[in-house]
Amino acid sequence: DAKTTQPNSMESNEEEPVHLPCNHSTISGTDYIHWYRQLPSQGPEYVIHGLTSNVNNRMASLAIAEDRKSSTLILHRATLRDAAVYYCILISNFGNEKLTFGTGTRLTIIP
Amino acid sequence: NAGVTQTPKFQVLKTGQSMTLQCAQDMNHNSMYWYRQDPGMGLRLIYYSASEGTTDKGEVPNGYNVSRLNKREFSLRLESAAPSQTSVYFCATRTGPKNTEAFFGQGTRLTVV
Repeated sequence: DAKTTQPNSMESNEEEPVHLPCNHSTISGTDYIHWYRQLPSQGPEYVIHGLTSNVNNRMASLAIAEDRKSSTLILHRATLRDAAVYYCILISNFGNEKLTFGTGTRLTIIP
Repeated sequence: NAGVTQTPKFQVLKTGQSMTLQCAQDMNHNSMYWYRQDPGMGLRLIYYSASEGTTDKGEVPNGYNVSRLNKREFSLRLESAAPSQTSVYFCATRTGPKNTEAFFGQGTRLTVV
């Protein structure tokens, strides 16, 4: 399974943009890049996903490098409610249904 | 629409006791998952089920058994609980194709003393 690498922790000021990086140098052509986040004392929740093109939704934007070996989750204007652990994972379009998470990035928002 | 429901929410067991954690979903999803999360750690996959009647081991299956009773329900059983199994357990569901999102329950906090 292709692996992802994320920083253990990041800090950002409230109301500023946040760029959360993820490296996935062994990604295959059929792997989707998914992002989830886990708020304190809750189960993870889906944020966004993409394959090759940049993606936007109401929660965030996903910027995917041209070679697909890295991606960045962008929170355009961080609020205190965005403090969470953010997970970047790869899901293959082929193979089994196994779904594994790494340790993620703990994002702290400074008021 | 309840989504993914886990029961119980909290449980304290004595070492050696057994129990079953229940997970039910009303989204008609094919795949279901059990994870554990130790304090300050990420999610580790215990078992998963790609469809009714099938189960597969994840990263940390030892000490656990699972049963996919039907499409809606996926249970996790601890036959002889150990303090090392103290953790928060999450159930998740997902449907194909592979670019679809997973939905998680709120977790079961289990303490083994």
